Amino acid sequence: EDQVTQSPEALRLQEGESSSLNCSYTVSGLRGLFWYRQDPGKGPEFLFTLYSAGEEKEKERLKATLTKKESFLHITAPKPEDSATYLCAVQARGGADGLTFGKGTHLIIQP
Amino acid sequence: EPEVTQTPSHQVTQMGQEVILRCVPISNHLYFYWYRQILGQKVEFLVSFYNNEISEKSEIFDDQFSVERPDGSNFTLKIRSTKLEDSAMYFCASKGAAQPQHFGDGTRLSIL
Repeated sequence: EDQVTQSPEALRLQEGESSSLNCSYTVSGLRGLFWYRQDPGKGPEFLFTLYSAGEEKEKERLKATLTKKESFLHITAPKPEDSATYLCAVQARGGADGLTFGKGTHLIIQP
Repeated sequence: EPEVTQTPSHQVTQMGQEVILRCVPISNHLYFYWYRQILGQKVEFLVSFYNNEISEKSEIFDDQFSVERPDGSNFTLKIRSTKLEDSAMYFCASKGAAQPQHFGDGTRLSIL
């Protein structure tokens, strides 16, 4: 059974204080690992897809990295508008199309 | 930017009643999905739909659930006889070939 575990569950940072969110996964052949951002009352908003170990993707203050067992979402010099829940999800190979999500990391950036 | 649209935003239904949740996927997408998120829990996959048929479904998607693409733009999830435990946010998602899934803002379903 595919599993995704995210840590920490919640993280409070000062504006400008960089940190990393962790996503550990177990999947029967990884087709893709996805990062989404979810604001309160909204649906998940796509951020990144990673396909193979060693791959990195960047967007503004966010950088996602991937190893064979985990992914990190690095947040550099965050701003209050980066406050959200960040979700990690995996898609397995072999035709399975549904995403398996973790519970997310609730990130709060204080001004 | 094109987006997935879901209606209604909030649906309140009596236990045992049928409910239909509606979604308008992004117009050139071919793959469609339903997920649910019970309050405080993970987003859970329910079903995927491609070429007018179900391509995959989870254990949650039992006989009380059905999906339909009644026309060229809508994608619906029907729950035949709702239970209290069906109360959740239901998200629709769509994608094109070799693209990530894009989600709507969900329908909050409250079963009384």
